[in-house]
Amino acid sequence: DQQVKQNSPSLSVQEGRISILNCDYTNSMFDYFLWYKKYPAEGPTFLISISSIKDKNEDGRFTVFLNKSAKHLSLHIVPSQPGDSAVYFCAAGTYKYIFGTGTRLKVLA
Amino acid sequence: DAGVTQSPTHLIKTRGQHVTLRCSPISGHKSVSWYQQVLGQGPQFIFQYYEKEERGRGNFPDRFSARQFPNYSSELNVNALLLGDSALYLCASSFRINPASGGSNEQFFGPGTRLTVL
Repeated sequence: DQQVKQNSPSLSVQEGRISILNCDYTNSMFDYFLWYKKYPAEGPTFLISISSIKDKNEDGRFTVFLNKSAKHLSLHIVPSQPGDSAVYFCAAGTYKYIFGTGTRLKVLA
Repeated sequence: DAGVTQSPTHLIKTRGQHVTLRCSPISGHKSVSWYQQVLGQGPQFIFQYYEKEERGRGNFPDRFSARQFPNYSSELNVNALLLGDSALYLCASSFRINPASGGSNEQFFGPGTRLTVL
C-alpha cells in the first residue's frame, strides 16, 4: 500500500521553462514533507521542505506547495536548468519518512 | 564541515553471511535513520535512533538490527543475508526527530553503501 505516490515516472522540460513535480499522500497525520534530488551512485540531496502548517515554501528557484485538503504537494523549479536533470523524490512523515518512487526529470538544453 | 559519511562504499557478500554497515552523522546531529533503496524504488525506512535509543522501526525482519553509539555514530547489522537484501543502504542524520518540538526536521543523507549479495 503506497502511502506516498509520485505518479509521473518521468518528465522532460525545456531549459528555462518551469518544471512541476507532483506528489500525493494518503495519511493525514503526516506533518512534514521533504523533496530530495538524487544522481546515480549518490545519496539523495535535500532540496526543500514544508511543514503542514504552511502551504508554500520558497528557496531560490525551488518552491514547494502543499494542499492539505487534497493531500497533494508539488515542487516547482523555475527556471529549469540542465543541471537539474536527476531523479526527484518526495517524502512525507514526522520522524519516519515514507518516500515516493521518484520522478526522473530531464531538462533539455 | 563534513556531511554524513558511510562505510564501506561497496560490499559483496554471499548468502547466509552477515554484514555491518557504518554511519557517522553530521556534527551536532543526534538522530540517525537507516533506509534501504532497491532499484526503481524510493528509500524504505528501516530504523531511526535518537540519543542512542531506537525510536522507530520499519517493516523489516529481525535479521536487521542497529545501534547508536555515544558519539552518535551508528551501525546497521544484517544477518543471514538473502539475495533480496542487495540494495543501496542509506544513512540519514538530523538534529532532532520531532518537528513539533520546534525547528525543522530535515534529514541529510550520506552517499550510501552498495551491498551486493551473491
